[in-house]
Amino acid sequence: GDSVTQTEGLVTLTEGLPVMLNCTYQSTYSPFLFWYVQHLNEAPKLLLKSFTDNKRPEHQGFHATLHKSSSSFHLQKSSAQLSDSALYYCALSFNSNNRIFFGDGTQLVVKP
Amino acid sequence: DTTVKQNPRYKLARVGKPVNLICSQTMNHDTMYWYQKKPNQAPKLLLFYYDKILNREADTFEKFQSSRPNNSFCSLYIGSAGLEYSAMYLCASSRDRTIANTEVFFGKGTRLTVV
Repeated sequence: GDSVTQTEGLVTLTEGLPVMLNCTYQSTYSPFLFWYVQHLNEAPKLLLKSFTDNKRPEHQGFHATLHKSSSSFHLQKSSAQLSDSALYYCALSFNSNNRIFFGDGTQLVVKP
Repeated sequence: DTTVKQNPRYKLARVGKPVNLICSQTMNHDTMYWYQKKPNQAPKLLLFYYDKILNREADTFEKFQSSRPNNSFCSLYIGSAGLEYSAMYLCASSRDRTIANTEVFFGKGTRLTVV
């Protein structure tokens, strides 16, 4: 079945260091991949999503590249900020579908 | 206003009693969703409305009901709450039925505790 795997439940790092949150997926068809971010006591919000033309989506310093060969869509940022501390969900969907399949989420904690 | 509003934010219910959660949006979105989120688990889609058509997921079909009296409002109804229903319930909406072409907006959620 279709699924998303986020292997890290918690990632803790120091401000200024690079961020990489892992996301791999299993899918019968070519999916669209998303990253959602949820700050404490806030609603989950779309951070970025994959493009059909293989462009690399970027937002707020974060970027992710869809690698179909390895079924991955890892989230990266060159330098973590304290305000990046949040829960990050990787998710997938299909062009003809309302359903989004979420991963379990990765809690990112950025320390001074 | 791109917010999805959920009321109440916290709800306490007794085992065996009904529960009704409310969600609203003023973006004129065609699709509204309900997700259940338990600690350390992925948000799980329970059901969604596309316009007036209700789609319920197969594994939760009998546990949850919903109504959408107009475009802006959508409710989630539990007829008889059990302890396993304790979770965060997230409502969301999107402009059309194809996720890839639109953004999904989430509410902050209602935390339901069943005792």
